Amino acid sequence: AQSVAQPEDQVNVAEGNPLTVKCTYSVSGNPYLFWYVQYPNRGLQFLLKYITGDNLVKGSYGFEAEFNKSQTSFHLKKPSALVSDSALYFCAVRVFDNAGNMLTFGGGTRLMVKP
Amino acid sequence: ETGVTQSPTHLIKTRGQQVTLRCSSQSGHNTVSWYQQALGQGPQFIFQYYREEENGRGNFPPRFSGLQFPNYSSELNVNALELDDSALYLCASSSPRLAGTGELFFGEGSRLTVL
Repeated sequence: AQSVAQPEDQVNVAEGNPLTVKCTYSVSGNPYLFWYVQYPNRGLQFLLKYITGDNLVKGSYGFEAEFNKSQTSFHLKKPSALVSDSALYFCAVRVFDNAGNMLTFGGGTRLMVKP
Repeated sequence: ETGVTQSPTHLIKTRGQQVTLRCSSQSGHNTVSWYQQALGQGPQFIFQYYREEENGRGNFPPRFSGLQFPNYSSELNVNALELDDSALYLCASSSPRLAGTGELFFGEGSRLTVL
C-alpha cells in the first residue's frame, strides 16, 4: 500500500528564518509527489509537485521541495518564512491503480510563523 | 475563469438522514473527485468521476454515492448518516492536460455536522 507520513504535527519558526516541513513516502514504482496548503476554513491549494527531473522543485509563494529517492523523502522548504505562511500543509502521493487521480495525503503539519 | 465551487458551505443533519452536496468544477475540467477530511486529519479519497461514470473509489461504503452531469458538475450523496460522517467534504477537479500528473484544484468544501 502506498502511504505518506508527516512526522511533525506542528512546526514553529520565526519570521525571516528558513523553514522545513518534513514528508516521507512509501510507494511501489516511481512516485508522483505533491504539497498542498490549507488556510483556515478553506480548501486545499496546490503548491508544487515532483514527477520527474530535477530533485529540487520550485513552487508557489517561494516554496520549494527536495525529492530524495534514497531517503524516500520530499521535504518542503522556504528560505525565509513569512507570518502569512502560517497554515496547514499536506504532503500527498498519487496512487497508481484503478482509482484514477487518487491522492493519498499525509496527516498534515501545522506551520506557525511568529513575528 | 471560475474555480471549483461547492454548496452548501455548512449544514447540520441528524443521524439516519440523507445529504446531497454539490460541486461545480473549474472551467474546462472534466474530472471530479471527492474527499472527506475529518477534523485534524488529511483528506481521504471517496471517489472520482470522469465522463459521468465513477472510475475510481476509495474505502467508503456504498451509502456514499455520486453523480456527474454532462456539464461536469457533480453531486455527493450520503445515505443513513452516521456521527462519524461529520467532516469537511472537498471536491476537486482536474483538467485533461493535467490529468496524467494528478494535480487537483480544490473547492473550499462543505462542512457537514451530524448530530
